[in-house]
Amino acid sequence: ILNVEQSPQSLHVQEGDSTNFTCSFPSSNFYALHWYRWETAKSPEALFVMTLNGDEKKKGRISATLNTKEGYSYLYIKGSQPEDSATYLCALRQTGANNLFFGTGTRLTVIP
Amino acid sequence: KAGVTQTPRYLIKTRGQQVTLSCSPISGHRSVSWYQQTPGQGLQFLFEYFSETQRNKGNFPGRFSGRQFSNSRSEMNVSTLELGDSALYLCASRGPANTGELFFGEGSRLTVL
Repeated sequence: ILNVEQSPQSLHVQEGDSTNFTCSFPSSNFYALHWYRWETAKSPEALFVMTLNGDEKKKGRISATLNTKEGYSYLYIKGSQPEDSATYLCALRQTGANNLFFGTGTRLTVIP
Repeated sequence: KAGVTQTPRYLIKTRGQQVTLSCSPISGHRSVSWYQQTPGQGLQFLFEYFSETQRNKGNFPGRFSGRQFSNSRSEMNVSTLELGDSALYLCASRGPANTGELFFGEGSRLTVL
């Protein structure tokens, strides 16, 4: 069983604040790192799939970076809005595997 | 394009019973995976099917089984239910793109009494 860890477990921020979360994972046999956003009562939706060390991806106010050598990824949200409230999951895919190993997520609450 | 559809959305069973959950992937997607989520745990991989063949299996007991039909629809079955099987079961399909991005359904929430 792989250890994919996310921190913090939860956080509350004020509307307009910027925030970031961490995903750490074993760096051996790395293939890809996924980020998903999961709103309550909905299905998880993919934000990013990153494969290369040093990758940076951006979607609107959300961006992510990847360091495969040290085994971590950061997710940044700039100018948080209430609609950003969700659980953010990261997941590791290793070489030769089709399944993902998920972290337990970071639950973000943006206070208006 | 319709998303991933899971049925039933909610169900209640008693210990010892069995349950079958269904998943219809996005049209054209041939890979279907199943994940279990219990409180405090990340999504745990159950199995993956591709073109009617189980391609990968997680670390779950043999009571958990699945299959995939020629139209890519998948079912998972849990026999001899235990209280600990109470969970949200998510199905995800993956398209042919190399990104490996998963498209999830909304899940089937199983409660075992």
